[in-house]
Amino acid sequence: QKEVEQDPGPLSVPEGAIVSLNCTYSNSAFQYFMWYRQYSRKGPELLMYTYSSGNKEDGRFTAQVDKSSKYISLFIRDSQPSDSATYLCAMSRTGAQKLVFGQGTRLTINP
Amino acid sequence: NAGVTQTPKFQVLKTGQSMTLQCAQDMNHNSMYWYRQDPGMGLRLIYYSASEGTTDKGEVPNGYNVSRLNKREFSLRLESAAPSQTSVYFCASRRHPLTVTLAKNIQYFGAGTRLSVL
Repeated sequence: QKEVEQDPGPLSVPEGAIVSLNCTYSNSAFQYFMWYRQYSRKGPELLMYTYSSGNKEDGRFTAQVDKSSKYISLFIRDSQPSDSATYLCAMSRTGAQKLVFGQGTRLTINP
Repeated sequence: NAGVTQTPKFQVLKTGQSMTLQCAQDMNHNSMYWYRQDPGMGLRLIYYSASEGTTDKGEVPNGYNVSRLNKREFSLRLESAAPSQTSVYFCASRRHPLTVTLAKNIQYFGAGTRLSVL
């Protein structure tokens, strides 16, 4: 079993929809949780970053962490065609040198 | 501020050929990483360097070698390329946290090198 599981999709939704992307993990020591966005033929770029449990909001994006369920989510409100990309979750323990990535979910927003 | 720069952007090799992928960062980061990305597999860590002068194996190190030339540069070498090494390779860097309260595991990525081995 992978340490971090992410549904690879692909996921296709109409413009304006609310999108929910999710990852589950098995290591209860993970404290740092990130979402990276990767456009086609580009490198991943950090989208959201949270520490421990709770919610974080940035514009149309909300990241949620539920450590009791070992489950993290990224919500995109009022989705736009420019949000079409692959979204990767990543996480790590305190002091760890390495990130553990999910497989990535390919998202397409249709105009 | 260029961030993380990778060269070349594209490369085609024949089986058995060797090559070095170059990576440089200008953010004064201590840690640097090499990943490969394959369809359905996400990002897999090949090697990393926590600081200048140190390197460690990641999840998939076989067939690769690395050199941390200085604080800025971290190269990845394929000594005898195989078709299984056809992939997109990403370099990343991370600022080393000074204290636990400043601990940030954000990694910054380059644009990638697309490698095909025939």
